[in-house]
Amino acid sequence: GIQVEQSPPDLILQEGANSTLRCNFSDSVNNLQWFHQNPWGQLINLFYIPSGTKQNGRLSATTVATERYSLLYISSSQTTDSGVYFCAVVTRAGSYQLTFGKGTKLSVIP
Amino acid sequence: SQTIHQWPATLVQPVGSPLSLECTVEGTSNPNLYWYRQAAGRGLQLLFYSVGIGQISSEVPQNLSASRPQDRQFILSSKKLLLSDSGFYLCAWSVRGLVGYEQYFGPGTRLTVT
Repeated sequence: GIQVEQSPPDLILQEGANSTLRCNFSDSVNNLQWFHQNPWGQLINLFYIPSGTKQNGRLSATTVATERYSLLYISSSQTTDSGVYFCAVVTRAGSYQLTFGKGTKLSVIP
Repeated sequence: SQTIHQWPATLVQPVGSPLSLECTVEGTSNPNLYWYRQAAGRGLQLLFYSVGIGQISSEVPQNLSASRPQDRQFILSSKKLLLSDSGFYLCAWSVRGLVGYEQYFGPGTRLTVT
């Protein structure tokens, strides 16, 4: 099956700093989503981005499908950005399954 | 707007007891529905998905089962829980019939089997 690798596994930032999270995947995809899991476990949809670039406030994402990677940018980080960020993909093989990476645990300290 | 509910929020059950977790979606018709589990650690794994009433597909063999008695209701069950069934269970929905469309998750049920 498809492999989804996220880096770095852990990241500690000072409030106000910028960061880039990376997601590599091993096969062509027709869905790629970025999620933020908050301390209560809720998975919050950040981006649906099988290709191209999107921006939402301080967050933006870019997926280069031909090179099989996606990047999530967080600018001017805040303590509320803390949590685990997941990348998840669906392959073009017709599966409904979202395959998740292991996540990046972000800690933003004041 | 669409909302997805799960209950209970937390559950502590002894080994060998039955299980029933419920998920309902509001504000949409004929959704695809999904059950995922997040064990200790971070990754989520798809357990079941459904494209319509009574239509269930299993992704991982186990002692769990799923049912869809109504269009917007999805139930996860077990006759006898194992210790390894502990975890965080999340229900999700997406637009029906469209592979690869965006999935939205409920708040989850945290299950501890003792």
